[in-house]
Amino acid sequence: GAVVSQHPSRVICKSGTSVKIECRSLDFQATTMFWYRQFPKQSLMLMATSNEGSKATYEQGVEKDKFLINHASLTLSTLTVTSAHPEDSSFYICSARHTGGHTEAFFGQGTRLTVV
Amino acid sequence: GQNIDQPTEMTATEGAIVQINCTYQTSGFNGLFWYQQHAGEAPTFLSYNVLDGLEEKGRFSSFLSRSKGYSYLLLKELQMKDSASYLCAVLDSNYQLIWGAGTKLIIKP
Repeated sequence: GAVVSQHPSRVICKSGTSVKIECRSLDFQATTMFWYRQFPKQSLMLMATSNEGSKATYEQGVEKDKFLINHASLTLSTLTVTSAHPEDSSFYICSARHTGGHTEAFFGQGTRLTVV
Repeated sequence: GQNIDQPTEMTATEGAIVQINCTYQTSGFNGLFWYQQHAGEAPTFLSYNVLDGLEEKGRFSSFLSRSKGYSYLLLKELQMKDSASYLCAVLDSNYQLIWGAGTKLIIKP
């Protein structure tokens, strides 16, 4: 199957700082990538849909100025958590699908963010 | 609204068979996925059903009934490594994935 690489896998940062998470599709082109957040013992919650070359579409309740998404190429999307606070501590996962939308979603390894 | 229901937790014995059910109500339907997620890891793909019936893949099988809005994941010959959460997800009419909350499966020796 296709490979999606997410980096870093774990990050600890101080409150008030910013953290960038990268998501790369290694062997296919992904015009659309998805960013999810997952709190312990809860399901994946879609934060935003990232479209190459255009603005991301954010889900209701997700602050676009706090969670900056850049999808500058067909293989790379980044999520920047700005001015992080302890309540932003979570598991962030990116996902990408081949164009057409019918195939399964391939997930990155996830990033465990801890804000202290 | 869109809704996917699956049991929160199930327990089964090593070597046995377990069936995890999923019911859904979504705006449109373009397929149903099952994913496995071990604690602290990203989900991994198990199966995709878009037509009614049973899809078998080794020890895992997935069934779909579109008229009933129902699917199940069947795991045979359970192994300890099968202890994980199993996520049901539906691709709606806009090709957005709608996720269930997941079923935590506990395997006992």
